Amino acid sequence: KAGVTQTPRYLIKTRGQQVTLSCSPISGHRSVSWYQQTPGQGLQFLFEYFSETQRNKGNFPGRFSGRQFSNSRSEMNVSTLELGDSALYLCASGPGTGGAGSEKLFFGSGTQLSVL
Amino acid sequence: DQQVKQNSPSLSVQEGRISILNCDYTNSMFDYFLWYKKYPAEGPTFLISISSIKDKNEDGRFTVFLNKSAKHLSLHIVPSQPGDSAVYFCAASASGNQFYFGTGTSLTVIP
Repeated sequence: KAGVTQTPRYLIKTRGQQVTLSCSPISGHRSVSWYQQTPGQGLQFLFEYFSETQRNKGNFPGRFSGRQFSNSRSEMNVSTLELGDSALYLCASGPGTGGAGSEKLFFGSGTQLSVL
Repeated sequence: DQQVKQNSPSLSVQEGRISILNCDYTNSMFDYFLWYKKYPAEGPTFLISISSIKDKNEDGRFTVFLNKSAKHLSLHIVPSQPGDSAVYFCAASASGNQFYFGTGTSLTVIP
């Protein structure tokens, strides 16, 4: 089974631009979550999509948005980029249907975004 | 507000000895806990989990202990090997769908 695929691996943007990151989950997984990793901050939860609907949302500004398509692939968009948005963005997939205690996330290798 | 905390940013251990990584949480609704391991330039990979109905779960060299009253969990690696050198994240969940991660502990196993 192919793992979680994130594209692109690296991105360099300038302040004010916008960016779109892509994530293809493991086949059969319907839940896709996005995380931001920065040094000293760990993995900060952005949002989770299940069956094309945003089911959970973290505490990030509205510049961060996402969507999920009918084939479970997901995109994350950041508009009006700021220097502080430089981070590793990780996507994770899971079945999304299990109860508490039965779910675990499978991560992609991430997209390293640098904002200059 | 960091609901899951790993207060040790780094840990160094001799090969063959025990590595103990600690994690504290604040939300008493968390009922499922996981540990992930991350190498540079790769995504985190699942290591071991524990449900709140247990206080210990073992998988080979890895054991996770949960102390619900103290809201504390720990990961023990015995014996530690150089290949275990990585960043370890603990995570917690209340709903099974949203996971809260700690800031990570960088483990170095010295040969």
